[in-house]
Amino acid sequence: EVQLVESGGGLVQPGRSLRLSCGASGFTFEDSAMRWVRQGPGKGLEWVAGINWLGNDIGYADSVKGRFTISRDNAKNSLYLQMNSLRTEDTALYYCARDFIGTSGTPANAFDIWGQGTMVTVSS
Amino acid sequence: QSALTQPPSASGSPGESVTISCTGASSDVGSYNFVSWYQQHPGKAPKLIIYEVNKRPSGVPDRFSGSKSGNTASLTVSGLQAEDEADYYCSSYAGVNIYVFGSGTKVTVL
Repeated sequence: EVQLVESGGGLVQPGRSLRLSCGASGFTFEDSAMRWVRQGPGKGLEWVAGINWLGNDIGYADSVKGRFTISRDNAKNSLYLQMNSLRTEDTALYYCARDFIGTSGTPANAFDIWGQGTMVTVSS
Repeated sequence: QSALTQPPSASGSPGESVTISCTGASSDVGSYNFVSWYQQHPGKAPKLIIYEVNKRPSGVPDRFSGSKSGNTASLTVSGLQAEDEADYYCSSYAGVNIYVFGSGTKVTVL
């Protein structure tokens, strides 16, 4: 079964750090670009960060640039998000998602497999 | 990186059609044919229903269709069914490994 499972969320004080993990199974993780997407309570989806299969092409949303770091370990089929200097506005359910490869065999810049998310609450 | 603009809500009766707009800028929707749409039911993860403006992943009913004109993309749900009641989000590639989502539209089946 193709699956993504996030972990590492929790309650953290403003200014502190947290590291999220996403474990992949059921597909060739090392061939897949991956993304982090978050959703604040009662709010919409927000793309956070993305990384290509090799880990050398990375992008961040302006809202997290300089504070968050995305990385991956293909040997462990795992994706990570290191979150530093957390703010109350970072409170959200954090999803990892896989890039979809369309029928043409090229990246479709869409996300087809999602985990169930891990909740991060930033509060004093 | 401004969010794409969607109407907060849309509705229709069973069997009818509903169309949701997604307005971006020349730097995202207007520049790339990489607009995708997601359906999200309460408490669930999003589900990809349209990619590359108008293509459907395997298993998505052909009642869902997409289009784009200039900086605005659209999703049409034809033959509305009760299970189509959900939140819908558009997304666009914005260049250099950057993406942007829409503000979301809640579809109600009357």
